[in-house]
Amino acid sequence: DTEVTQTPKHLVMGMTNKKSLKCEQHMGHRAMYWYKQKAKKPPELMFVYSYEKLSINESVPSRFSPECPNSSLLNLHLHALQPEDSALYLCASSQARQVGEQYFGPGTRLTVT
Amino acid sequence: AQSVAQPEDQVNVAEGNPLTVKCTYSVSGNPYLFWYVQYPNRGLQFLLKYITGDNLVKGSYGFEAEFNKSQTSFHLKKPSALVSDSALYFCAVRANAGNMLTFGGGTRLMVKP
Repeated sequence: DTEVTQTPKHLVMGMTNKKSLKCEQHMGHRAMYWYKQKAKKPPELMFVYSYEKLSINESVPSRFSPECPNSSLLNLHLHALQPEDSALYLCASSQARQVGEQYFGPGTRLTVT
Repeated sequence: AQSVAQPEDQVNVAEGNPLTVKCTYSVSGNPYLFWYVQYPNRGLQFLLKYITGDNLVKGSYGFEAEFNKSQTSFHLKKPSALVSDSALYFCAVRANAGNMLTFGGGTRLMVKP
């Protein structure tokens, strides 16, 4: 199974809402990533988890809160977002500490109203 | 710091003709180079990678890329383009250490019948 799944596919939320994005992989990968992608732009790295520990936080605002409950799951908790946070949120995974390619999920299209 | 440049925002090619999508990079140490493709409203799909060895790397869907160390380039090529190749293509580099990918700005490939 070389698939990364993400739910939901689409999410519309108000600026006062709390919601969560979910990501799952069963490839045995021990590194997982959250990216934010605006239209026609490259993905921007937000967070990296390595062996379920947060290893990289690219100065992301605290209204985004990542969580890695186990080696297969990655969550992104959202609270008090701004309209400019509307984007495609991509999850990816890879073998940790190896030069492997990253496998991406299909993304969650987030709209903040 | 590592960086990737894709000098062309868009490449137009007729179906059946060869295609080239350009990429140059800057990184300390040995580069690990990747090409990804993104279809509309989808996540990124891995195409191919260069780690070491033969400078010509073959990947998925008939794509190949040539690593040129002296020119710090990693251009993506295909001998005969298909309309279905039309998509957004991203080049990415990863330094020897760590697991962070740096993406280029992306090149939109349009293959016309």
